[in-house]
Amino acid sequence: GAGVSQSPSNKVTEKGKDVELRCDPISGHTALYWYRQSLGQGLEFLIYFQGNSAPDKSGLPSDRFSAERTGGSVSTLTIQRTQQEDSAVYLCASSLGLVSTEAFFGQGTRLTVV
Amino acid sequence: AQSVAQPEDQVNVAEGNPLTVKCTYSVSGNPYLFWYVQYPNRGLQFLLKYITGDNLVKGSYGFEAEFNKSQTSFHLKKPSALVSDSALYFCAVYSSASKIIFGSGTRLSIRP
Repeated sequence: GAGVSQSPSNKVTEKGKDVELRCDPISGHTALYWYRQSLGQGLEFLIYFQGNSAPDKSGLPSDRFSAERTGGSVSTLTIQRTQQEDSAVYLCASSLGLVSTEAFFGQGTRLTVV
Repeated sequence: AQSVAQPEDQVNVAEGNPLTVKCTYSVSGNPYLFWYVQYPNRGLQFLLKYITGDNLVKGSYGFEAEFNKSQTSFHLKKPSALVSDSALYFCAVYSSASKIIFGSGTRLSIRP
């Protein structure tokens, strides 16, 4: 597609439920990133995929968070047993995977845990 | 470890005046630096980048940034601010692990 697509755009879930957030990167982009942004604040790095390499999961805040990227394209971020502190905007970005190239961001998924 | 710092949470400027949003970085090796902007209720957009070459880089919407190796800074500038420039600005650097590290963001407010 023309840009990075994230779905759903908004998600309200009850505390303790599992949620899945989806990211469709730009075609041909080998790098994919997930970030979390709380209340218009800074970007917290979560996880990074590059080609077929093992993902960099160093930013995942707990073992309730996991992500996968199937076929080097679509990625799913899963949060199990959601907590209220998980409420945030989850942003996905993709790039050509070179240090000289910028990342393109999706519009984000606003997650609200009630 | 690579990092980037934005020392100002908020910058207030009158329309028509020059603006500067500060960024300093810490990297091992060559720095690859970026500025992104986030307008209200919109996603992040790329503004400009420094990879190599000329220390003054120009980007979208009339913005420019100056790379200063001795001061490890990459400040964002614009000669004449517009009200429409009001947004959240992020400085970013590629880490040695090739993931992108973002600063904490600076909210720019331009008053008419």
